[in-house]
Amino acid sequence: DGGITQSPKYLFRKEGQNVTLSCEQNLNHDAMYWYRQDPGQGLRLIYYSQIVNDFQKGDIAEGYSVSREKKESFPLTVTSAQKNPTAFYLCASSKQGLYTEAFFGQGTRLTVV
Amino acid sequence: AQKITQTQPGMFVQEKEAVTLDCTYDTSDQSYGLFWYKQPSSGEMIFLIYQGSYDEQNATEGRYSLNFQKARKSANLVISASQLGDSAMYFCAMREAYGSSNTGKLIFGQGTTLQVKP
Repeated sequence: DGGITQSPKYLFRKEGQNVTLSCEQNLNHDAMYWYRQDPGQGLRLIYYSQIVNDFQKGDIAEGYSVSREKKESFPLTVTSAQKNPTAFYLCASSKQGLYTEAFFGQGTRLTVV
Repeated sequence: AQKITQTQPGMFVQEKEAVTLDCTYDTSDQSYGLFWYKQPSSGEMIFLIYQGSYDEQNATEGRYSLNFQKARKSANLVISASQLGDSAMYFCAMREAYGSSNTGKLIFGQGTTLQVKP
C-alpha cells in the first residue's frame, strides 16, 4: 500500500540532544513538508521541499534542519538550538502543482525531558 | 505574505444539522489553491476538499461543500447532515504558486474544533 511512514510514533530525548525524525513515502511525490503542531493549535510549517536536493525554510525553521537526498525520504533533525522542541511533528507529501492535496503521515510525538 | 484565519476556536452542532466553518485568507497572488482537512483525536490528517482560485463553481465532495467567495477572500466549509463521527478539528489551508512547478508552501489556519451533539 502506498503511503507516508513516520517513525517512531513516540520519541523521548534528553534536553540538549539532537534527534532525527524519519519520514518516508512511496507515493512517488516530488514535494514533501514538515509541520509542527502544539496542543490545540494549528500546523506550522518548518521546512518544505519541491524536489530532490532542494528545500526551503518555512515559518519556524530555526533550530531545525532537513535533507532531501532521495525522493522518498525527508528526515527532520531537531537540534539543541530549538528552545522548545516538545511537540507533535507531521510529515506530508504531494504531487507537484498548485491544486494537489497533501497526504500526511501518522505523526511523531516528541517529548524532551 | 499568505495567511489563513479561522476565527472559530470551537463549534457545536446537533446531529443531522448542517454547520459552516469559517475560513478567510490573505494573498496577493491570483493563483492559489484552498484546502480543508479533518484531524480526529487520533492525530491523523484527512483531506476533505479543495478549491482552485479560478474555479467558478463551489467544490463539493459528498456531505462537504466549500462556499468560495473570492472577492471576500473566504472559503468556508459546509458540512451537511452532521454525524457523530464528524467531531474533530478542522483546518483550512492554502497554497500559492512558487517556482516552475507551482508547488509553493502549504500553510494552515489555527483550526476549529467541531463537536457534534447526539
